[in-house]
Amino acid sequence: KAGVTQTPRYLIKTRGQQVTLSCSPISGHRSVSWYQQTPGQGLQFLFEYFSETQRNKGNFPGRFSGRQFSNSRSEMNVSTLELGDSALYLCASSLEPEWSYGYTFGSGTRLTVV
Amino acid sequence: AQTVTQSQPEMSVQEAETVTLSCTYDTSENNYYLFWYKQPPSRQMILVIRQEAYKQQNATENRFSVNFQKAAKSFSLKISDSQLGDTAMYFCAFRDTSGTYKYIFGTGTRLKVLA
Repeated sequence: KAGVTQTPRYLIKTRGQQVTLSCSPISGHRSVSWYQQTPGQGLQFLFEYFSETQRNKGNFPGRFSGRQFSNSRSEMNVSTLELGDSALYLCASSLEPEWSYGYTFGSGTRLTVV
Repeated sequence: AQTVTQSQPEMSVQEAETVTLSCTYDTSENNYYLFWYKQPPSRQMILVIRQEAYKQQNATENRFSVNFQKAAKSFSLKISDSQLGDTAMYFCAFRDTSGTYKYIFGTGTRLKVLA
């Protein structure tokens, strides 16, 4: 059974550019969540999607956006990149209710903004 | 607001010995779930164990067990017979069921198992 797949694994971008990260959940998982992980702030919730609908959003600026497709695959986009956006971005999928099953995480995308 | 506190930034244990990682949380909710996740150097977070707040019995998964004290809002993880592969960051996480749809993670404890 394939796990949660995140692409790319590493990314280097310049300030002001935009970036799109991709996440393919485990087959059958319709809930997908995104987290930002940094040494200083730890794991911060970005958004959660279920059946193509954003169910909740964390406290991030509007430069951070996401979407989910009909096959449950999800993308997140960060526009006008800032140095502080450098982080490990983790995607997690789950069966419902996800609080009962817990997450299965991907290996993350390491984004470096220079 | 819910908070999760892991007061031990780093710990080490000898192989085959037992270690306990601490986690405390604060919430006014009565129904919630608690989790321990492990993040090895490969970066992938792995679910280690989960506990439902309304269950008094402590959860156990092979060498991993928890000591859940609901009144004290404490949720510690005990690793028995520690193995080198247990070396990782361990995160405690809280998840309510009231509809906020997000986890609150602690800052993590870096565990090193020594040969």
